[in-house]
Amino acid sequence: DTAVSQTPKYLVTQMGNDKSIKCEQNLGHDTMYWYKQDSKKFLKIMFSYNNKELIINETVPNRFSPKSPDKAHLNLHINSLELGDSAVYFCASSQASLAYEQYFGPGTRLTVT
Amino acid sequence: EDQVTQSPEALRLQEGESSSLNCSYTVSGLRGLFWYRQDPGKGPEFLFTLYSAGEEKEKERLKATLTKKESFLHITAPKPEDSATYLCAVPGDSGGYQKVTFGTGTKLQVIP
Repeated sequence: DTAVSQTPKYLVTQMGNDKSIKCEQNLGHDTMYWYKQDSKKFLKIMFSYNNKELIINETVPNRFSPKSPDKAHLNLHINSLELGDSAVYFCASSQASLAYEQYFGPGTRLTVT
Repeated sequence: EDQVTQSPEALRLQEGESSSLNCSYTVSGLRGLFWYRQDPGKGPEFLFTLYSAGEEKEKERLKATLTKKESFLHITAPKPEDSATYLCAVPGDSGGYQKVTFGTGTKLQVIP
């Protein structure tokens, strides 16, 4: 039983392309997140949604657009990919009342060439 | 801005050799500190939450402690399966607990 799943696990694409990463959680949580982990392993929050409402929107380029069709799904769409977007992207979920206890997905390794 | 600094960056231990990892933070008002473990190729896994100075939490060979300026993750008689990167994190000043600032981690390697 996968708690937080992401697809795809690996994504290799060229500069300028548009791509999406999907995330689903079956934990019944009401809050979901996107994180970016760079080559130095620094994990930084990008977005957070609570009950499909955007509550955290860190300073990321507007080429990144999250979409939450329902509480169990949070997708990340990236337009006009750049070399600097190469990283591992993690989806996570939690209950809002226990937001520090976040459950992470396996990550999507994005490589932009 | 909140800062979380972890040391050492990497630690290599023999199996059974106890040690401690350090997490120091600068936040305007600490509302908790969290420890996560991350295995290679996987997402972080929640370990502990500490709320106030003097608090301690234990899980198997791990024990987390908190002072007003730093937290320690003590590893007693580690085993190779304890090898991982250990991340500490604090909640942000705003956005509730949802906005969590992570440290850069300590990569622990336990050699049989």
